[in-house]
Amino acid sequence: NAGVTQTPKFQVLKTGQSMTLQCAQDMNHEYMSWYRQDPGMGLRLIHYSVGAGITDQGEVPNGYNVSRSTTEDFPLRLLSAAPSQTSVYFCASSYVGTGLYNEQFFGPGTRLTVL
Amino acid sequence: EDKVVQSPLSLVVHEGDTVTLNCSYEVTNFRSLLWYKQEKKAPTFLFMLTSSGIEKKSGRLSSILDKKELFSILNITATQTGDSAVYLCATANAGNNRKLIWGLGTSLAVNP
Repeated sequence: NAGVTQTPKFQVLKTGQSMTLQCAQDMNHEYMSWYRQDPGMGLRLIHYSVGAGITDQGEVPNGYNVSRSTTEDFPLRLLSAAPSQTSVYFCASSYVGTGLYNEQFFGPGTRLTVL
Repeated sequence: EDKVVQSPLSLVVHEGDTVTLNCSYEVTNFRSLLWYKQEKKAPTFLFMLTSSGIEKKSGRLSSILDKKELFSILNITATQTGDSAVYLCATANAGNNRKLIWGLGTSLAVNP
């Protein structure tokens, strides 16, 4: 049981390049999300999904696209990278149940630098 | 606007000390408050609190919620160097209980 996996661990891009950050989970979680974490800004939600085929925007969605074609995978696409997108990106997942809240499990993160 | 404020922002203690970390919140239709620990990697879940006055405990860590005064505290007794981390607080509202609002965290350093 690998939990939440993210690739790559590190990436350097030039301004204007595009790329996809990969996220996968093997816990059959319906809910998946992407955060970025910046010094002094905390964790900010980019996009999230409550199931295959359903996505929604978080706090800071501009410049990012997501899709959810399977329960397991939730890739994050940077359309045209900008230096402001230099950050650490975390993917997280949890069950969508009837409970008050279900613990979010985080992936190990991707450190992205845009030059 | 919903917000979560943690204090202090950073703290340095010696092994064996007891520390108290604070988290105050202003959240529309509050549902739950969560504590996470983040070492040099991904956050890991510690506690979820939904009711006032009920302490959650795990080993040397404990936490309690005050829904009247809108805050929570996280206590760590007999600190160890392995407790050094950033402790994050987040809240969920009833409208979307997975769309968390995060504080900036308290960076705790425990010196031997």
